[in-house]
Amino acid sequence: SQTIHQWPATLVQPVGSPLSLECTVEGTSNPNLYWYRQAAGRGLQLLFYSVGIGQISSEVPQNLSASRPQDRQFILSSKKLLLSDSGFYLCAWSAYSGTVVDQPQHFGDGTRLSIL
Amino acid sequence: AQSVTQLDSHVSVSEGTPVLLRCNYSSSYSPSLFWYVQHPNKGLQLLLKYTSAATLVKGINGFEAEFKKSETSFHLTKPSAHMSDAAEYFCVVKGTSYDKVIFGPGTSLSVIP
Repeated sequence: SQTIHQWPATLVQPVGSPLSLECTVEGTSNPNLYWYRQAAGRGLQLLFYSVGIGQISSEVPQNLSASRPQDRQFILSSKKLLLSDSGFYLCAWSAYSGTVVDQPQHFGDGTRLSIL
Repeated sequence: AQSVTQLDSHVSVSEGTPVLLRCNYSSSYSPSLFWYVQHPNKGLQLLLKYTSAATLVKGINGFEAEFKKSETSFHLTKPSAHMSDAAEYFCVVKGTSYDKVIFGPGTSLSVIP
């Protein structure tokens, strides 16, 4: 069966420090991968998605970047964190399909990021 | 363009009574629709999905949803609420490309003992 792992579960970082959040998927090949941010009491905002190694699309301009160095690894990074980067970050995957519309996304347990 | 509206930001029910969480969508295409549940500080778990097969979709934990094209609705129901159902619920619409996934703002469900 497929599993998705996200770490760390919680992270407290000072303003201006770097960030690296990692997400890995097991049990599937060539997944579509996603990073979302969820602000307190709000819905999900898609940050990045990837359809293959080295292929990253950004949904919104921001202080963050993403990379996909391996097929099932997705990394969210920042060189200098801002206070506004605080939030709950979720990684998700969906199966690659010719008719992708019906493939649900499967989520990791998230990383709670607090910027001080 | 696609959009999702969850009509209630918060719903409160008594344990053992029915649950109704409302979702309306707008889509230029025949959409796929999903409901997810999120417990505090956890990721989202898929409850059920509609993908143009049967209009009444059964999901996990006793939840079901009915797709009504004429009303552009996909309401989530459960006959009898359990305390463990207290969580945030998201309605999601997905169109013709992998990146066009639209999440509703969520409905917070409280279950009163």
